[in-house]
Amino acid sequence: DIQMTQSPSSLSASVGDRVTITCRASQSISSYLNWYQQKPGKAPKLLIYAASSLQSGVPSRFSGSGSGTDFTLTISSLQPEDFATYYCQQSYSTPVTFGPGTKVDIK
Amino acid sequence: QLQLQESGPGLVKPSETLSLTCTVSGGSISSSSYYWGWIRQPPGKGLEWIGSIYYSGSTYYNPSLKSRVTISVDTSKNQFSLKLSSVTAADTAVYYCAGGIVGATYFDYWGQGTLVTVSS
Repeated sequence: DIQMTQSPSSLSASVGDRVTITCRASQSISSYLNWYQQKPGKAPKLLIYAASSLQSGVPSRFSGSGSGTDFTLTISSLQPEDFATYYCQQSYSTPVTFGPGTKVDIK
Repeated sequence: QLQLQESGPGLVKPSETLSLTCTVSGGSISSSSYYWGWIRQPPGKGLEWIGSIYYSGSTYYNPSLKSRVTISVDTSKNQFSLKLSSVTAADTAVYYCAGGIVGATYFDYWGQGTLVTVSS
């Protein structure tokens, strides 16, 4: 199985901050990397697919980059509705695996 | 716009079989355009993919659960289902059904999730 790690596991930030979350795969996954946002009590929501493609309807302050084993999710200017947990997911091979999550909360 | 809704018992006894159904609206479950899957999340923990099924009937399961999992489709009801046998407390989780576009490798449609507790 491909193992996914994320850093940091949590962070505190203020509205307007630029936030970067890192995801690393245990082997190369090309660009088969997706990012989801999950708010408490809600289902995950797809933000970014194929490492850098913005899902329809997702604000442009979200962006993704990377390929191979190292990936980043960036929120250019954190908004109140962005406080949530973010998960990366590899879809290069089965079993599909998720990172452990990064919780973004209010400083 | 696809909508998905999970249903099933919220409490299952240890050693029994967990059975959940996902009802799909806004599209046909037998369409070659979509694939379907189940993902679970233990309380306070991360996401675990359980398995997926394609319109052809092909199924793919997480090896960690494969011996206990069956995912199937009921085209007459526009539903797909999950059966997980011999459950233990470790199977307590919120179970999500999800869907994606064939050819894509992500889930862009999700149900709201349903909590299943394994307890006697």
